[in-house]
Amino acid sequence: AQSVTQLDSQVPVFEEAPVELRCNYSSSVSVYLFWYVQYPNQGLQLLLKYLSGSTLVKGINGFEAEFNKSQTSFHLRKPSVHISDTAEYFCAVSGGSNYKLTFGKGTLLTVNP
Amino acid sequence: DVKVTQSSRYLVKRTGEKVFLECVQDMDHENMFWYRQDPGLGLRLIYFSYDVKMKEKGDIPEGYSVSREKKERFSLILESASTNQTSMYLCASSSPNRRGEAFFGQGTRLTVV
Repeated sequence: AQSVTQLDSQVPVFEEAPVELRCNYSSSVSVYLFWYVQYPNQGLQLLLKYLSGSTLVKGINGFEAEFNKSQTSFHLRKPSVHISDTAEYFCAVSGGSNYKLTFGKGTLLTVNP
Repeated sequence: DVKVTQSSRYLVKRTGEKVFLECVQDMDHENMFWYRQDPGLGLRLIYFSYDVKMKEKGDIPEGYSVSREKKERFSLILESASTNQTSMYLCASSSPNRRGEAFFGQGTRLTVV
């Protein structure tokens, strides 16, 4: 079985400040990790993914995440956020024979002027 | 461009009605999923299908059924809609070749009155 814990349900920050959204996972098999973003009234779109190789992965809109196997974490970071980054962010893990995706409960990032 | 299309953005149905939510993907993906999204609960898997006519229960299958007669189409059926099924429903598709990276539709906001 696999699970994902997003440690913060809401993260308010000021524009141009750095941000980190935290994600921890558990799985008994090899894992593949994803961050998705959901803007209001829209579906989810992929921000970035870790499949193998370098543990630091870069995604769209200046976001990056680091896979840490020993701490079973995959935290999302951005050095300087914009108002337009206001959205809900979901961490997800897949694995096993059918690659089912299991999601965390989401973190609402609110960027204030 | 990759596309997952859900038949309706908004639906209002009466308690006891049979409700069909349709999803079509154009990527020839083997896997298709139905998730339910509620505030504070993240995305919860209702059912997924890994091949035509093949399905597997997710975390919250009660009150729902699914149908996959063709590879590109995956239907979610509410046999007798109830008010506690008022929610956002998201369809997704993926391929094992992509290790679970999923593509999402825009979502259907269902209100049961």
